[in-house]
Amino acid sequence: EAQVTQNPRYLITVTGKKLTVTCSQNMNHEYMSWYRQDPGLGLRQIYYSMNVEVTDKGDVPEGYKVSRKEKRNFPLILESPSPNQTSLYFCASSLGTGAHGYTFGSGTRLTVV
Amino acid sequence: AQSVTQLDSQVPVFEEAPVELRCNYSSSVSVYLFWYVQYPNQGLQLLLKYLSGSTLVKGINGFEAEFNKSQTSFHLRKPSVHISDTAEYFCAVGKGHNQGGKLIFGQGTELSVKP
Repeated sequence: EAQVTQNPRYLITVTGKKLTVTCSQNMNHEYMSWYRQDPGLGLRQIYYSMNVEVTDKGDVPEGYKVSRKEKRNFPLILESPSPNQTSLYFCASSLGTGAHGYTFGSGTRLTVV
Repeated sequence: AQSVTQLDSQVPVFEEAPVELRCNYSSSVSVYLFWYVQYPNQGLQLLLKYLSGSTLVKGINGFEAEFNKSQTSFHLRKPSVHISDTAEYFCAVGKGHNQGGKLIFGQGTELSVKP
């Protein structure tokens, strides 16, 4: 089944403790992206990747890092999480032409205390 | 710059009634338009998309949307809703190959269907 898999689904952590949210897709998509969803703000893009070893900032990149060492994986790294990063995170992948839209993962609900 | 505005944050409706969720976008170039649905505790699922051609687009679960270029709108409609349509709905605009076909999302509309 074609899908985007994120882990974990839920995570509670403390301020400053480094964490990684994993994302993997099995559709051989070149393009992958991370979004965060906050009430009243919709989804905002954090980072995206157009291919292996090619990543770039989205609209809200501060406090996040990403890497794209393999085509299928696109982990999101929070080096020093803060409470304002408490949010619902989605990984998405796409053929990338703009016409296909994205396939989304099930989401990771992160709480930073 | 592109932007998307969903005009209603919440839409309560009774079962079997018609519903319209409104979406306006701004863009100086041709765009692709999407509606996604998010059921509780799930990711986003594509409902329908407009790329070109016929301005009336049909999607899954009986939903349809009409692209209106002059009004820069892409409103979502369903003639008769079910309890199971209760979810959050997102309108999004995408443009070309730049930035991985980046989608810009509206703020979302919460559809609540009551018996």
